[in-house]
Amino acid sequence: AQSVTQPDIHITVSEGASLELRCNYSYGATPYLFWYVQSPGQGLQLLLKYFSGDTLVQGIKGFEAEFKRSQSSFNLRKPSVHWSDAAEYFCAVKAAGNKLTFGGGTRVLVKP
Amino acid sequence: KAGVTQTPRYLIKTRGQQVTLSCSPISGHRSVSWYQQTPGQGLQFLFEYFSETQRNKGNFPGRFSGRQFSNSRSEMNVSTLELGDSALYLCASSSAGTGDREAFFGQGTRLTVV
Repeated sequence: AQSVTQPDIHITVSEGASLELRCNYSYGATPYLFWYVQSPGQGLQLLLKYFSGDTLVQGIKGFEAEFKRSQSSFNLRKPSVHWSDAAEYFCAVKAAGNKLTFGGGTRVLVKP
Repeated sequence: KAGVTQTPRYLIKTRGQQVTLSCSPISGHRSVSWYQQTPGQGLQFLFEYFSETQRNKGNFPGRFSGRQFSNSRSEMNVSTLELGDSALYLCASSSAGTGDREAFFGQGTRLTVV
């Protein structure tokens, strides 16, 4: 069965600093990978996705992620965070049909 | 293009009651999935419907059920509510059955069981 691990529950970063969120997955086949962001009380917004091809993918809001098959990782990065980036971030892998398996999430706090 | 619409946004129910939540997917999308989000368990898959057929089901008791209509709109029902059913219920729609298709989520329905 597939699984996703986000090792960091909370991350605090200063505004303007870089951000990296870790994601490790376990899946037997070629994975479809996603990063979603959730603001309090809201639904999930897709930041970016990896299906195949170039292992460095660009997303919305200045985010990017790199797929590393050898490390079973799909880490999310942003060079310079803004106060509006404070939210919870979820990594997910798609398995059978359209079932998504999510990691536990990483809550990002942005210090002024 | 309108996004995924979930109604109602908030619900308060009493233990033992039943509840029905509704989800209208993005126009043209035929796959609808439901997820439960709680602080303790995180995001958990409930079930997926594609072309009016349940195609995938998570590990939830039979009190949780769903259906999909011919216009792709979906409903989920929870019978005999328990306090532990309090959660944010999220609906996601996708354009096709499998493969490289992303899921778009609605704003969710916040269910509180008292």
